[in-house]
Amino acid sequence: DGGITQSPKYLFRKEGQNVTLSCEQNLNHDAMYWYRQDPGQGLRLIYYSQIVNDFQKGDIAEGYSVSREKKESFPLTVTSAQKNPTAFYLCASSTTGGMNTEAFFGQGTRLTVV
Amino acid sequence: QQPVQSPQAVILREGEDAVINCSSSKALYSVHWYRQKHGEAPVFLMILLKGGEQKGHEKISASFNEKKQQSSLYLTASQLSYSGTYFCGTVSGSARQLTFGSGTQLTVLP
Repeated sequence: DGGITQSPKYLFRKEGQNVTLSCEQNLNHDAMYWYRQDPGQGLRLIYYSQIVNDFQKGDIAEGYSVSREKKESFPLTVTSAQKNPTAFYLCASSTTGGMNTEAFFGQGTRLTVV
Repeated sequence: QQPVQSPQAVILREGEDAVINCSSSKALYSVHWYRQKHGEAPVFLMILLKGGEQKGHEKISASFNEKKQQSSLYLTASQLSYSGTYFCGTVSGSARQLTFGSGTQLTVLP
């Protein structure tokens, strides 16, 4: 079945450590996104990519990094520079830059800093 | 810049109607609507394109006023399953990034 997969579902990290969240899609989508969601809050855009080897910062990119070496993969690294990383992270993809097609979301990764 | 949604929350009885609004300060190419159940991924409801085209697959309607950069989602004869948080997402400018509002929490009571 085609879809978008995030792993792990739950992740615990010690302060000061970097951690990488995985996002893989087999939908042949060009565009991929990373969003952060805090309790009771909306989805805030961290990074997005419209094509392989290219990505742009979203509204809250500080303390995060991404790569897009393959069309199907868009991993997100939460660095120690991110002051408040505990949140629910959602990855999404769409056929184009989201202009006229729906975005498909993964099931999310809940990151907790301990 | 995030679109602005209103109201922030709404409670209604089964069978009642609701309207959720979304506005942006930017010229929009498209407006997306999604519903998220607690702890789950957002699910696509509808997309409205500049020029009037709509794409959706649920019994929910929406409007898109291109001049005012506003969209409204209409939920008629609500069902218990309609409960959740509704997000509007907007695409504007050459960056083509999909930016979401802060959400509207909808609760349908029996």
